[in-house]
Amino acid sequence: QTVVTQEPSFSVSPGGTVTLTCGLSSGSLSTSYFPSWYQQTPGQPPRTLIYNTDTRSSGVPDRFSGSILGDKAALTITGAQTDDESDYYCVLYMGSGNWLFGGGTKLTVL
Amino acid sequence: QVQLQESGPGLVRPSETLSLTCTVSGGSITSYYWTWIRQSPGKGLEWIGYMYYGGGSNYNPSLKSRAAISVDTSKNQFSLRLSSVTSADTAVYFCARGVLSIFYFDSWGQGTLVPVSS
Repeated sequence: QTVVTQEPSFSVSPGGTVTLTCGLSSGSLSTSYFPSWYQQTPGQPPRTLIYNTDTRSSGVPDRFSGSILGDKAALTITGAQTDDESDYYCVLYMGSGNWLFGGGTKLTVL
Repeated sequence: QVQLQESGPGLVRPSETLSLTCTVSGGSITSYYWTWIRQSPGKGLEWIGYMYYGGGSNYNPSLKSRAAISVDTSKNQFSLRLSSVTSADTAVYFCARGVLSIFYFDSWGQGTLVPVSS
């Protein structure tokens, strides 16, 4: 059974740059999986950040960017702010009407 | 700006059926994947399934056919029924709108916590 892998946790200093990744337990990830990224703070619904690999959702600051790095999808935060301390989830479209969430990455900014 | 709002009972007994409704305002219920996603306490997000307004649907195989989603275009609502629930189904349930062709979720409800307990 395919699993979407994400780093369980990551830490970045304020003003720093961090790249979170999203991969597949078997095989390489490409744009054909339409990777999307969501930010969630406690008690809130997810907020859509990035879709279709690298398109920022409306209102999302340009310090957030999406890409494919090697065989993984990546979310890069450039100039991290304390407000960016959240859980980040990637979602992949697996085809045939199936979506699969990654386990999420807890990002600490300190 | 479309808004989604979940509604349903605050508590469900084990072995019973969980029923939730999502009301869509500020937009049409056509032309999207109307989706349910859940999050167990302290855990990650899990895709439950979707229904397309034209009638197509699909569900997470892990739910073993317990889930069913329906769309009521006359009320601009879609609903989730999850049968034979156990404590493992205790979660915050989110409704979301999935976008065709680029397969992502662009709008989310606030979520509703559904405990399963006797």
